[in-house]
Amino acid sequence: KAGVTQTPRYLIKTRGQQVTLSCSPISGHRSVSWYQQTPGQGLQFLFEYFSETQRNKGNFPGRFSGRQFSNSRSEMNVSTLELGDSALYLCASSPRDYDYNEQFFGPGTRLTVL
Amino acid sequence: AQSVAQPEDQVNVAEGNPLTVKCTYSVSGNPYLFWYVQYPNRGLQFLLKYITGDNLVKGSYGFEAEFNKSQTSFHLKKPSALVSDSALYFCAVRVIVRSNYQLIWGAGTKLIIKP
Repeated sequence: KAGVTQTPRYLIKTRGQQVTLSCSPISGHRSVSWYQQTPGQGLQFLFEYFSETQRNKGNFPGRFSGRQFSNSRSEMNVSTLELGDSALYLCASSPRDYDYNEQFFGPGTRLTVL
Repeated sequence: AQSVAQPEDQVNVAEGNPLTVKCTYSVSGNPYLFWYVQYPNRGLQFLLKYITGDNLVKGSYGFEAEFNKSQTSFHLKKPSALVSDSALYFCAVRVIVRSNYQLIWGAGTKLIIKP
């Protein structure tokens, strides 16, 4: 079974631009979560989608948004990029919810904002 | 406030020696605890979890973790370290936020195993 895939793997943008990141979960997984990983802040929860609905959201500004499609694939969008948005963005999927099951992570998208 | 802490930024261990990576938590109710590992340029991989039952949980790659309710700890252990165990280790705890489950994460501990 193929793992979680994220595209692109690397991205360079300039301040003020917007960016869209994509995540394809493991087949059959309906929950997709997004995280931001930075050396200073560690792993921060962005949001979680389940069956096309945002089920939970972390403490990030409205510039960060996401959506999930009927095939469970998810996208994350960041508008008006700031230097501080430079980070590794990780996507994780799980079959139903992570109450009892582990999350399966993709390799991440490394975003650099110049 | 609910939280999880990994008090050590880095742990250095000689190959063949036992290793311990520490994690403490503060949550309301019974905790669901997890350990993940991250190798360079890769996503996180699940190692093990504690939900209920035996306080000693066994996981992947020979790792185990001990749940201690009185000390609110969930330390990761391995009897004999390998150089290939060198990686970044994260502890996480499930919490309920606005009626939904969410994982909150420790800051991570870099484990360095020296030959």
